[in-house]
Amino acid sequence: DIQMTQSPSSLSASVGDRVTITCQASQDISNYLNWYQQRPGKAPNLLIYHASNLETGVPSRFSGSGSGTDFTFTISSLQPEDIGTYYCQHYDNLPYTFGQGTKLEIK
Amino acid sequence: QVQLQESGPGLVKPSQTLSLTCTVSGGSISSNSYYWTWIRQPAGKGLEWIGRIYISGSTNYNPSLKSRVTISVDTSKNQFSLKLSSVTAADTAVYYCAGFVNTGHYDAFDIWGQGTMVTVSS
Repeated sequence: DIQMTQSPSSLSASVGDRVTITCQASQDISNYLNWYQQRPGKAPNLLIYHASNLETGVPSRFSGSGSGTDFTFTISSLQPEDIGTYYCQHYDNLPYTFGQGTKLEIK
Repeated sequence: QVQLQESGPGLVKPSQTLSLTCTVSGGSISSNSYYWTWIRQPAGKGLEWIGRIYISGSTNYNPSLKSRVTISVDTSKNQFSLKLSSVTAADTAVYYCAGFVNTGHYDAFDIWGQGTMVTVSS
């Protein structure tokens, strides 16, 4: 199985801050990577697909980049509604696996 | 738009079989763009891909669970189902059904059910 390692596991930031989360794959996955937000008590919600493509309806402050083994997810200006846990997920081969999650809180 | 809804017992006894159903509404389960998938999440933990089924009936399972998992589809009811046998407390989790769209340029879990909590306990 491909292991997905996210960093950090948690972070606290202020409204308006730029927030960056990294995701590292244990082997080359090209750009077969998605990012999801999970609010407390809810199902995950797709934000970024194919490493850098913004899902329809998702605010433009969210972005993704990277390829191969190293990927980055960025929120350009943190908003209060962005709290939750963020997961990367690869789809290079089966089984699909997720990162362990990054819990984002507002200071 | 397409919506998913999980249903099934919230409590299962150890060694028994967990059975859940996912009902697809607002669209057809026979779409050839989707893999219908089960994912679970233990409390406070991350997401684990359990397995998937395509409309052809073809299935793929996580090797860590393969010996205990069966996923099936009932097109007449627009439903797909999960059976997990010989459950233990380690199988206690929120279980999600999800649709993985696979078009080559857009491949992601873009539809999710709300999730259903299943507790394994005597």
